[in-house]
Amino acid sequence: AQSVTQLGSHVSVSEGALVLLRCNYSSSVPPYLFWYVQYPNQGLQLLLKYTSAATLVKGINGFEAEFKKSETSFHLTKPSAHMSDAAEYFCAVSYSGNTPLVFGKGTRLSVIA
Amino acid sequence: DAGVIQSPRHEVTEMGQEVTLRCKLISGHNSLFWYRQTMMRGLELLIYFNNNVPIDDSGMPEDRFSAKMPNASFSTLKIQPSEPRDSAVYFCASSLSPANTGELFFGEGSRLTVL
Repeated sequence: AQSVTQLGSHVSVSEGALVLLRCNYSSSVPPYLFWYVQYPNQGLQLLLKYTSAATLVKGINGFEAEFKKSETSFHLTKPSAHMSDAAEYFCAVSYSGNTPLVFGKGTRLSVIA
Repeated sequence: DAGVIQSPRHEVTEMGQEVTLRCKLISGHNSLFWYRQTMMRGLELLIYFNNNVPIDDSGMPEDRFSAKMPNASFSTLKIQPSEPRDSAVYFCASSLSPANTGELFFGEGSRLTVL
C-alpha cells in the first residue's frame, strides 16, 4: 500500500534558522507528492506539489521541496524560519489517476524567538 | 470564492446520540472527501465521492458511520449512535479532479466531542 513517512513528529528551530522537514514515500512508481500546512484550528492548505515537471518545487511562504527518486524522498525546506511558520506540516502521496491522497502523520514545527 | 464550508464547527454530545456533520463544496468541484483527524491516528480518509457517487468507503470505521451526497454541492456525515472514541476533528475537502493531480481544498473542520 502506498504510504509516506514523516521523520520527527516535532521539530523545533530558532527564528532565522534553516527549516528541514523530512518525508519519504514507499514505492518505485513515480508518485504525485504534496506538502500541506495546518495552522491551529484551521483546515489544511496546499504548500506545494510535485507532479514530475521539475524535481525542485517552489511553494508559498518561501518553502521548497526537492524530489529525489534515488532516496525516495521529498523533504521540505525553508532557508530562514519565521515565527509565523509555526504549524503542523503534512506530506501526502498519490500514485494513480483514481486514488486519493494518503497523508503522513504530520510534523509539528515550533519556531523559537 | 467562499471555500469549503463545514458545520457545526464544534459539537459536544453524549454517547448514544446521533451526530450529523455537514459540508458544502466549492462550486464546480466534483470530488468530495471526508477525513478524520486524531492525535493517535493522524489524518484518516473515511470516504470519498466523485460526481456524487461514493467511490471508496473502506475507511469508514463501522456501520455507525454513513455519508451521503444528496446533490453536487452538499454532503453529510452521520454517526449513529455516537461513542466517545468518535471524538475527533472531521474535515471535508473538495477538488476539481481525482486528488492525485489536483489540489484538495479543506474546510476548517468540525470538532466532535462525545462524552
